[in-house]
Amino acid sequence: DAKTTQPNSMESNEEEPVHLPCNHSTISGTDYIHWYRQLPSQGPEYVIHGLTSNVNNRMASLAIAEDRKSSTLILHRATLRDAAVYYCILSNFGNEKLTFGTGTRLTIIP
Amino acid sequence: DAGVTQSPTHLIKTRGQQVTLRCSPKSGHDTVSWYQQALGQGPQFIFQYYEEEERQRGNFPDRFSGHQFPNYSSELNVNALLLGDSALYLCASSAPGTGKFNGYTFGSGTRLTVV
Repeated sequence: DAKTTQPNSMESNEEEPVHLPCNHSTISGTDYIHWYRQLPSQGPEYVIHGLTSNVNNRMASLAIAEDRKSSTLILHRATLRDAAVYYCILSNFGNEKLTFGTGTRLTIIP
Repeated sequence: DAGVTQSPTHLIKTRGQQVTLRCSPKSGHDTVSWYQQALGQGPQFIFQYYEEEERQRGNFPDRFSGHQFPNYSSELNVNALLLGDSALYLCASSAPGTGKFNGYTFGSGTRLTVV
């Protein structure tokens, strides 16, 4: 399975944008980039996924580098409820299992 | 719209015992995956069921087995429990079988403690 590299932790101020980076230099052409987040005492929650083009949904935006070796999850306006562990995961839809790393623990400062 | 439902939420078992965990997928989902999450770690893939068959399996021993029923619900069975099996067990459902993939929906998990 292709690996991803994320910072262990990040902090951001409330109501400001947050950019969470992810490196995946060994990504294959059929790997999708997924982001999930896990709030305390809950199961992971799907945030967004994409293949090549940038993606937007009601929760976040996903910016994918042209060479696909890195991506950035963008939370446009952080709230205290966004404090969670964020996981960047590569998954081939033909394979479909998710291989979680240790993720980035995001702390929101009021 | 109910999401993924897991039962029980917590349980305590003794080493050597057997345990069965249950999962009801989100409405409209036909694929169920199970994950084990140790404290402070990311979830680890155990196996995935689709059309009542185990489709993929992670690096877990045969003590871990599962089943999927015609209504898409699923069970995870663990035999001969070890202290190291203590973890949060997560069930995730999705609908890739119908081509309508929009992410996996996870349940809140079952916290298993082996003493």
